[in-house]
Amino acid sequence: KAGVTQTPRYLIKTRGQQVTLSCSPISGHRSVSWYQQTPGQGLQFLFEYFSETQRNKGNFPGRFSGRQFSNSRSEMNVSTLELGDSALYLCASSLLLEPYEQYFGPGTRLTVT
Amino acid sequence: ELKVEQNPLFLSMQEGKNYTIYCNYSTTSDRLYWYRQDPGKSLESLFVLLSNGAVKQEGRLMASLDTKARLSTLHITAAVHDLSATYFCAVDAGRNYGQNFVFGPGTRLSVLP
Repeated sequence: KAGVTQTPRYLIKTRGQQVTLSCSPISGHRSVSWYQQTPGQGLQFLFEYFSETQRNKGNFPGRFSGRQFSNSRSEMNVSTLELGDSALYLCASSLLLEPYEQYFGPGTRLTVT
Repeated sequence: ELKVEQNPLFLSMQEGKNYTIYCNYSTTSDRLYWYRQDPGKSLESLFVLLSNGAVKQEGRLMASLDTKARLSTLHITAAVHDLSATYFCAVDAGRNYGQNFVFGPGTRLSVLP
């Protein structure tokens, strides 16, 4: 079974630009969560989608948004990029059945210059 | 707000030695997850602990959960260099299971020959 895939793997953007990251969950998984990982703040929850609906949102500004499609693929968008948005963005998918484990993709490394 | 703490944050140990990583969390939860992350890589699931007193073992690693003390431990037996990585514990904080994991800051383990 294929794992969680994320594209692109690496991205370099300039301050003020916007970026879209993509995540394809494991087949059959309908829940997709996004996390931001930085050396200073660690792993922080961004949001979670299930059946095309955002069910949970972390404490991030409105510049961070996401969506989920009917095939469970998810995208997250960051508008008006800031230097502090440089991070590893991880996507995780879950079957939402015991043991409610989250399976992580390889991540997208975003660098904002 | 759920807080997850780990100690130590950095651990340098010699091959063959034993050590324990501690994970404390601030609110009631009956499920805890341990992940491993190698530099530049994604999170690999190690253990899922689902109830008080749960103990799981895989190779040189053993994890346990005490929900009353809000404490999980990851014990390393006879460490080898291949165990060098960062270890994260995570607590399921969503309104429903599987929606939102809160991660500890991670313990960076370095096993020296």
